[in-house]
Amino acid sequence: QVQLVESGGGVVQPGRSLRLSCAASGFAFSAYGMHWVRQAPGKGLEWVAVLWYDGSNENYADSVKGRFTISRDNSKNTLYLQMNSLRADDTAVYYCARESCGGDCYQDFDYWGQGTLVTVSS
Amino acid sequence: IQMTQSPSSLSASVGDRVTITCQASQHISNFLNWYQQKPGKAPNLLIYDASDLETGVPSRFSGSGSGTEFTFTISSLQPEDIATYYCQQYESLPLTFGPGTKVDI
Repeated sequence: QVQLVESGGGVVQPGRSLRLSCAASGFAFSAYGMHWVRQAPGKGLEWVAVLWYDGSNENYADSVKGRFTISRDNSKNTLYLQMNSLRADDTAVYYCARESCGGDCYQDFDYWGQGTLVTVSS
Repeated sequence: IQMTQSPSSLSASVGDRVTITCQASQHISNFLNWYQQKPGKAPNLLIYDASDLETGVPSRFSGSGSGTEFTFTISSLQPEDIATYYCQQYESLPLTFGPGTKVDI
């Protein structure tokens, strides 16, 4: 069955960096686009970034553009989110999610990980 | 594209019909999805393309609408439906969610 497992969250000081990972299994990872979606404590869902199946195209929310980088290693079935210059308002649970429509499109998120909590605080 | 939902929360009885509305700030055709999120859990896709039921989702859930106005309905509320429901548009990037509707018994 499809499984997505995030890791790498934790407490980090403002201005520092953190890299999240999402290990995928149970499907042909290299054939699907992948997303990061976050949720601040007690708040709603915010889309963060998407990456095409082959890494050829990426897009970001304005709130993270220039600070976050989404990447993937299809040989390791793993998605990454490099987060630099972290701010307090980046505090959230970060979910990776599979794009349902395939490798080079965006539509909806049909499978989600359990999330990893990132807390930005001094 | 900004998404709004109403109400922000509601309380209903088991067996009640529950309706949530979602409005887009511009025309999005039927590029609209609905998710259910239970406390402490990841969201779960229920409806895609405004009205298509995701595989395995109970038929008491339904969606309708196009353009800028959309409706999500639970035909007979069950205790396990206690959750927050979000709409999400995919007409253009950035993908955006509504603020959510919390449903209680």
